[in-house]
Amino acid sequence: SQQGEEDPQALSIQEGENATMNCSYKTSINNLQWYRQNSGRGLVHLILIRSNEREKHSGRLRVTLDTSKKSSSLLITASRAADTASYFCATDATRGSTLGRLYFGRGTQLTVWP
Amino acid sequence: GAGVSQSPRYKVAKRGQDVALRCDPISGHVSLFWYQQALGQGPEFLTYFQNEAQLDKSGLPSDRFFAERPEGSVSTLKIQRTQQEDSAVYLCASSLDWGDEQYFGPGTRLTVT
Repeated sequence: SQQGEEDPQALSIQEGENATMNCSYKTSINNLQWYRQNSGRGLVHLILIRSNEREKHSGRLRVTLDTSKKSSSLLITASRAADTASYFCATDATRGSTLGRLYFGRGTQLTVWP
Repeated sequence: GAGVSQSPRYKVAKRGQDVALRCDPISGHVSLFWYQQALGQGPEFLTYFQNEAQLDKSGLPSDRFFAERPEGSVSTLKIQRTQQEDSAVYLCASSLDWGDEQYFGPGTRLTVT
């Protein structure tokens, strides 16, 4: 399977702390995307990092990509209660698949306590 | 700047009924994807359109599932003779082109009783 796998499955922290989520995948990719999903809602796109990039920032988000280890991490700094959600990484495959088709993991459930 | 919209947001169908789920992508987006998300899981790919052409339908679970995008904009996912295992959230996503960020709609939660 080319599915991304997030780790940990669940993460519980206090407001103000940093949250780090990891994602591993199995095959070569064009890009990797991180999404957030609040309970019962659709997916919100957070950040896209291409295979030739190593790090990307967006506000309180920092994403790294290590293609040699086939892994990525999402860091949320100074977390807020509103960051409570499920976080998914999604990868696309470079071959043997529809270009652009995304493969998702099961997600990390982040809970931020006030 | 409307995002991706889907309708209906919720659908309850009795087993055996046909349902049609609609997706309005972001204007100008060439690529359109349908995904199915079971409870507690990540989305799973169903099918992909590039404009009006359905280039990949390998993720459709059975021949009861059918999708179309006749004018390269709005898309409809149809499920015939619904069964309980079809209960899930159906997500539509669009992107400017195949390698770009995919923007998701709110989904349609289908419950088959």
